[in-house]
Amino acid sequence: GQQVMQIPQYQHVQEGEDFTTYCNSSTTLSNIQWYKQRPGGHPVFLIQLVKSGEVKKQKRLTFQFGEAKKNSSLHITATQTTDVGTYFCAAPRETSGSRLTFGEGTQLTVNP
Amino acid sequence: SQTIHQWPATLVQPVGSPLSLECTVEGTSNPNLYWYRQAAGRGLQLLFYSVGIGQISSEVPQNLSASRPQDRQFILSSKKLLLSDSGFYLCAWSRGRFGVGTDTQYFGPGTRLTVL
Repeated sequence: GQQVMQIPQYQHVQEGEDFTTYCNSSTTLSNIQWYKQRPGGHPVFLIQLVKSGEVKKQKRLTFQFGEAKKNSSLHITATQTTDVGTYFCAAPRETSGSRLTFGEGTQLTVNP
Repeated sequence: SQTIHQWPATLVQPVGSPLSLECTVEGTSNPNLYWYRQAAGRGLQLLFYSVGIGQISSEVPQNLSASRPQDRQFILSSKKLLLSDSGFYLCAWSRGRFGVGTDTQYFGPGTRLTVL
């Protein structure tokens, strides 16, 4: 079945350093979504990318969708302690657009 | 605006006891509803999916069942809990098939279940 691979699994950074997580699929995706889950919390939708090569920004967060629509990345510039959490990418399943395949997530810790 | 509620927030149950977790959505009609389980430090495992009242799709064989007695109510149940049922249970909704952005999911606060 469809798989979405996400790396790295863990990332530890010093506050002020940059952070990037990557998501890859073997199949072309109709869209890619990103979610953030704070420690002890629930996943919260961040953004959806639909177009080939699309780039979207939310303050210090930059989201990219690959030209082939098979990969995506989330980059955080100058991390802050408020960025701590697990970041998941997710893509609609080929057989059911209403169900999502989630990546395993990247757990980000930020040392102050 | 739409809101999603789950209860209880935490639950400690003995092995072999029954389980009932409830999820309700407000502010939308005909939502798709989902139950996920998340083990500590792990990803999201989809357990059940529903597109309407009484319509339940099971993703994996397990000790759990789901029901949707009303349009915006989704219930997760078990007759006899196992130790392996421990985890963080998340309910989510997305807009139904006739809505815009039908695949974006919105999660409830979750229920932390510990089976002893």
